[in-house]
Amino acid sequence: SAVISQKPSRDICQRGTSLTIQCQVDSQVTMMFWYRQQPGQSLTLIATANQGSEATYESGFVIDKFPISRPNLTFSTLTVSNMSPEDSSIYLCSVETGAGGYTFGSGTRLTVV
Amino acid sequence: GENVEQHPSTLSVQEGDSAVIKCTYSDSASNYFPWYKQELGKRPQLIIDIRSNVGEKKDQRIAVTLNKTAKHFSLHITETQPEDSAVYFCAAKAGGTSYGKLTFGQGTILTVHP
Repeated sequence: SAVISQKPSRDICQRGTSLTIQCQVDSQVTMMFWYRQQPGQSLTLIATANQGSEATYESGFVIDKFPISRPNLTFSTLTVSNMSPEDSSIYLCSVETGAGGYTFGSGTRLTVV
Repeated sequence: GENVEQHPSTLSVQEGDSAVIKCTYSDSASNYFPWYKQELGKRPQLIIDIRSNVGEKKDQRIAVTLNKTAKHFSLHITETQPEDSAVYFCAAKAGGTSYGKLTFGQGTILTVHP
């Protein structure tokens, strides 16, 4: 099954700045998914990233705030832009495994001060 | 879109007892239902899953049942151990035009008391 390397694992950022999170997969995958997990909450899908096309965003998430890149079939980045304390969350990437399930990156714990 | 409801939000059991967590989903086109265990500070880990052409699946102390007609599925953990304490999430994979997306339930905090 696919293995995902996600970085950074955590960061503390000043409000108004941006942070880019990277996910590298050890195999080629068609779709990569980006989730947000707010403190004590469930996982909410931000967007689906396909190689060669623009990401598809879920309701409540916009490209200007969460731009995504997908330059090839093994890599994707999510940027959290113009951050505020409300953006403090864990951000996770996910891919579908060969067995049909989904695996997750180790997550990025973001604190905005 | 898909909506997944999960109950209970917290569950406390004694070691050796059974634990049951239930989820309902709204989209009849959903066809894959995984369960994840998330320990504090860690990523969600898949513990068991079931597809819509199967009614029940078991893996040692863990089992999942699916009722497609009623659109609900349940996680059963028998002979619970303190290391089973974690947050458990159910999810449903969308079919149709939303294919591939996972929608998660709200989570259940399971505490197993020794």
